[in-house]
Formats: sequence, C-alpha cells, structure tokens
Amino acid sequence: GNSVTQMEGPVTLSEEAFLTINCTYTATGYPSLFWYVQYPGEGLQLLLKATKADDKGSNKGFEATYRKETTSFHLEKGSVQVSDSAVYFCALIPRNRDDKIIFGKGTRLHILP
Amino acid sequence: EAGVAQSPRYKIIEKRQSVAFWCNPISGHATLYWYQQILGQGPKLLIQFQNNGVVDDSQLPKDRFSAERLKGVDSTLKIQPAKLEDSAVYLCASSLILHEQFFGPGTRLTVL
Repeated sequence: GNSVTQMEGPVTLSEEAFLTINCTYTATGYPSLFWYVQYPGEGLQLLLKATKADDKGSNKGFEATYRKETTSFHLEKGSVQVSDSAVYFCALIPRNRDDKIIFGKGTRLHILP
Repeated sequence: EAGVAQSPRYKIIEKRQSVAFWCNPISGHATLYWYQQILGQGPKLLIQFQNNGVVDDSQLPKDRFSAERLKGVDSTLKIQPAKLEDSAVYLCASSLILHEQFFGPGTRLTVL
C-alpha cells in the first residue's frame, strides 16, 4: 500500500543551522509529494510540493527534491530561524488521482535562539 | 480571502456524551474533508465530500461518527457516543483543484 515514513523528532537546532528532515515513501507509480507545516495552535499549511520526478519544490527558504530512485523527498533549509519551529508533515497523493492525502507522522522542529 | 473556519476550537466532554463540530470551507471550494489527528500522528482522512455527496468515508467509524454537508457548503461532524480514544484534533479542509487542500485551525476534543 501507500505510506510515508519520516524521521522522528523532536529535532532541536540552533538558529542559522542547516536543516534536513528525511522523508521516504512507498507508492504505486509516481505520486505527488508534499510538505505541510503546522505551527502551534494552527491548522496545516502547504509548504511546498512536487508532482513529478526530479521536480524541486521551494518556499520560504525550504526546498525538497522528488527523487524517484531513492523514493525520497527530504526537506532542507540552509539557515533556520526561531520562527521555523513547528511540526512538519511529509505527505503523498497516489497517482490514481483520488485526491486522498496520506501523511507521515510528523517531525517536531525546535529552533533555539 | 477568508480561510477555512471551524468551531468550536476546543471541546471537553465526558465519555458517552455527544459532540458536534462545524466547518465552513473557503467560498467556492467544492471538495471538503474531515481529518482526525491523534497526538503524535499525522492526520487521517475520515470523510470526503464533493459538493454535498460523499466521495470517501471508508475510514469513518460509522457506528458512532456521522457527517453531513447540506447544500454543499457548511459541514458538521458528529460523534455519538464519544469514547476516550476519540480525543484528538479534528481538522477540516477544502479544495478547489486537485492537490491544493486548505486546512482550518482544527477543533481539539478531549474526552474524559
């Protein structure tokens, strides 16, 4: 079946550090891939997405590249800020286009000033 | 543009009681979703509406959960009777086009 596996948190970094949150997936065919962010007390917000292999999604300094060879979609940011503290969810929508998002369990990120 | 609205934001009830959540999607969004997010986990889809018709309710515990979307706009999700394991955040989302789901702030339910 379809599934998403992401690194467990919490991840604690100092401000301006480099961030990587790993995400791998299992799916039939080539799904669309997403990163969502959930700030404290708020709903999920779409951070970035990639719909085909080798696509790079980017937003607010975050990037992720769709790697079909390694079935991965790792989230990266070169210099994190305290305001990036949140929970990050990797997700996919299968290629059968039924629009059902499958989420990973989430990774809590805590940035120290 | 106004986002997805949900109410209440917080609800505390005792087990075996009933509870209802309300969602107002973004204007013009035909598709509406209800998710359950248990602490430490990703959201799980409970039900998906296209206008006022149900597209997918395969993960909705139909013995106690029900949802409706009258007139294809607002939606309510009801739990009757509630169990301890229903404690979670209930998220509503809406979309206009494939892959672009917008989420509301959620309702945090605590069942004692």
